[in-house]
Amino acid sequence: SAVISQKPSRDICQRGTSLTIQCQVDSQVTMMFWYRQQPGQSLTLIATANQGSEATYESGFVIDKFPISRPNLTFSTLTVSNMSPEDSSIYLCSVEGGSGRFFGPGTRLTVL
Amino acid sequence: LAKTTQPISMDSYEGQEVNITCSHNNIATNDYITWYQQFPSQGPRFIIQGYKTKVTNEVASLFIPADRKSSTLSLPRVSLSDTAVYYCLVGDLNTNAGKSTFGDGTTLTVKP
Repeated sequence: SAVISQKPSRDICQRGTSLTIQCQVDSQVTMMFWYRQQPGQSLTLIATANQGSEATYESGFVIDKFPISRPNLTFSTLTVSNMSPEDSSIYLCSVEGGSGRFFGPGTRLTVL
Repeated sequence: LAKTTQPISMDSYEGQEVNITCSHNNIATNDYITWYQQFPSQGPRFIIQGYKTKVTNEVASLFIPADRKSSTLSLPRVSLSDTAVYYCLVGDLNTNAGKSTFGDGTTLTVKP
């Protein structure tokens, strides 16, 4: 299994600002995934991040709004840009292990 | 990508066996079936994964019929701490890692 940590665990931000969320994995992984989970909803995949290449975004998500970095095989960041109250969600990073997908604890973002 | 359908909610009592069924009529040949558990304010946690027939681990069993169009997660003798949302996920871990779509999940409430 993989141990995943995220920073910050939660934040309250003003609209129009940006927040960068960090994800650290305790082992090297090829692919890292970023999900969003809005209150009371299921998880929605935002993008897949491979080390050394551009992230691949799912329909409805764009790089300008959610830029992603993947500088090495154990770390990734997701930035939520120009935030609005609709961006209030839990953001989770995830990696694929040998027997399933492992998730970080999530970052709870509230935009005022 | 296979779409999954689960009951929205289920109630049970401590000590009972709980079976949660997931329908995935469009499952592809290379797709695996994975179940996750999510507590409030936490990321989903891997429970069990299977391809066909029956898989058992220390926490659950997974039953998959021959046509693989559904699967049933079985939780033996549930306790109050098993109250959570349970997600069934179907996808090809090798070629579509990350592309698996989370369904709406089943909220299990265990009562004393």
